[in-house]
Amino acid sequence: AAGVIQSPRHLIKEKRETATLKCYPIPRHDTVYWYQQGPGQDPQFLISFYEKMQSDKGSIPDRFSAQQFSDYHSELNMSSLELGDSALYFCASSSLGVIADSYNEQFFGPGTRLTVL
Amino acid sequence: DAKTTQPPSMDCAEGRAANLPCNHSTISGNEYVYWYRQIHSQGPQYIIHGLKNNETNEMASLIITEDRKSSTLILPHATLRDTAVYYCIVRVYDMRFGAGTRLTVKP
Repeated sequence: AAGVIQSPRHLIKEKRETATLKCYPIPRHDTVYWYQQGPGQDPQFLISFYEKMQSDKGSIPDRFSAQQFSDYHSELNMSSLELGDSALYFCASSSLGVIADSYNEQFFGPGTRLTVL
Repeated sequence: DAKTTQPPSMDCAEGRAANLPCNHSTISGNEYVYWYRQIHSQGPQYIIHGLKNNETNEMASLIITEDRKSSTLILPHATLRDTAVYYCIVRVYDMRFGAGTRLTVKP
């Protein structure tokens, strides 16, 4: 079965540089989520998109922005990188339930490991 | 989303059942209980979810108390490959990971 694809898998950047992470959701999934997981920490929700519109916002720094495109893939843009941005970045996708309070299991990608030097 | 409380770590012998508790005393009526696990640095993996009733699938069973203030994830026959961090999450839509339980399955 097709899974969530993230690229690149590894990325090394210098401080103050920019980085773009890409996420390709499972086919027919309309919702994308981004998470950041620092070393030894639990995943932290950053932002989500449903049908190309931002649906929820978590602890995403102002230096970061994201969008979902017409083909449902998403990109996380990170500017003025800091050492503390070094982390695993996970993307997840789901298909929003038709019923307002129905569940929607999130499927996670393998992650992008960002190292800021 | 309601806050969850889980023990930081647990051990389990291989082949035995692993029972992972979760407290979610502030859960509201439309919030589901989800369980995910993360093996090493892989992407979190969905295990099971439930609203009110107990649930079972090929991976695990989920027991939710009648007042919905706590739940238990049961791995019936734990293997070494079940060693992971297990997260209990209460949500309607977006997920907020708390501090999960690091389960170590020992031979």
